[in-house]
Formats: sequence, structure tokens, C-alpha cells
Amino acid sequence: NAGVIQTPRHKVTGKGQEATLWCEPISGHSAVFWYRQTIVQGLEFLTYFRNQAPIDDSGMPKERFSAQMPNQSHSTLKIQSTQPQDSAVYLCASSQGTSAETLYFGSGTRLTVL
Amino acid sequence: GDSVTQTEGQVALSEEDFLTIHCNYSASGYPALFWYVQYPGEGPQFLFRASRDKEKGSSRGFEATYNKEATSFHLQKASVQESDSAVYYCALSGNTGNYKYVFGAGTRLKVIA
Repeated sequence: NAGVIQTPRHKVTGKGQEATLWCEPISGHSAVFWYRQTIVQGLEFLTYFRNQAPIDDSGMPKERFSAQMPNQSHSTLKIQSTQPQDSAVYLCASSQGTSAETLYFGSGTRLTVL
Repeated sequence: GDSVTQTEGQVALSEEDFLTIHCNYSASGYPALFWYVQYPGEGPQFLFRASRDKEKGSSRGFEATYNKEATSFHLQKASVQESDSAVYYCALSGNTGNYKYVFGAGTRLKVIA
């Protein structure tokens, strides 16, 4: 079991460019979560899916951020027109999807917007 | 909404010192409570959990007891080692409907040999 896989590990974009981050959850896990981590804000919840359906996107900035889960083996987080304040580590986690199951995190994608 | 408060932002100890990191929560019912540990360059790793009042979770010498009355889940370790240096997160997950996890702000532990 390779764990949660996130690609790329590092991404550098220029201001105004688009960034797409990828996540492959653990096989058999039905829930996928996205978090953003910064020194100032800590771990911020963005959104989560269960059985590929979006359940809660209350943490997603309404403009420029979108997430999808087209199949059970991957999810993407897309940030359009990136801004310097989007610079952070974006973490994906998966779980078995039932109540209060353990989250398993990937190593994250460090996004730097110049 | 649900929340988790970690009192200490940073803790510095010497090897073999006793560790306590305070965690208090606010949530309805009986949420599951977790401790995660994060090392540089990695995502948070599950340490242990507890789901019921007075239940003790433990792993690798760390432990915490679910205290419903005090709404607390304090992390303790009797004798820390340099390798325990990391960031520790307390978290909760509700058990009704939306299973979104809420994390505390994290506590950076530095253990000096």
C-alpha cells in the first residue's frame, strides 16, 4: 500500500497562472479530503468527497478554487489565476469514509506563487 | 461550529522530560478525538484516537484520555526523546452527518538532547 500519493511535490507558478494539484487516495478508501497548510493559518479544511460526490466545500474560496473527483482513484484541486497568498502546502487525505475514521495524509504539494 | 484549541504553540524540553500538550474541544455529542504528528516534509500521521468518555488512546509512549466533562484530550508522554521533535495536532471528527475533521492550531515540540 503506497499510501496517499500527491503530485507534484513542488509547483511554482507565476501570478495569474493556473495550478492543478493531483491526489491518489488509498485504494478502497471512499472519502477524500483537501486541506491547506500555512504557518499563519495552520491546517485549513477546504473540501471533501465521499464516494466521489462533493459533500462539503465550505472551506473553499468561492472564486478561483475548484475540486473534482472524476473517479475513485484520483481527485484534483484546481486554482485559477493564482495569487501570492495562495502559496501554501496543499494536503490530501483519505479515509474509509465512515464516521470518524482515521485520516491518512499524503506528503502534500508545496505551491509557490511568484 | 466545532472547534479545537491547543494552548501551547511551542514547547521546548530536554530529553527525558515529561510532556503535556493541552487540547480542549467544543462540539456536540461525542466526537471522536485524535492526535496526529507531523514531521518536516511530510503530512500529518495518525498517532491514536479515542471515541468515548474516559477512553485512553496511546501509541509510541504517548497517551491521552477522553474527558467529556472537561472537554479535553491532553497529550502526555513520560520521557521525551529528541526524535519526538515534531508538530502535534489535536483533532476531532463529529459522529453525526457531516464527518468533517477539525484540527487544532498545532504545537511545535522541540526536544534538546
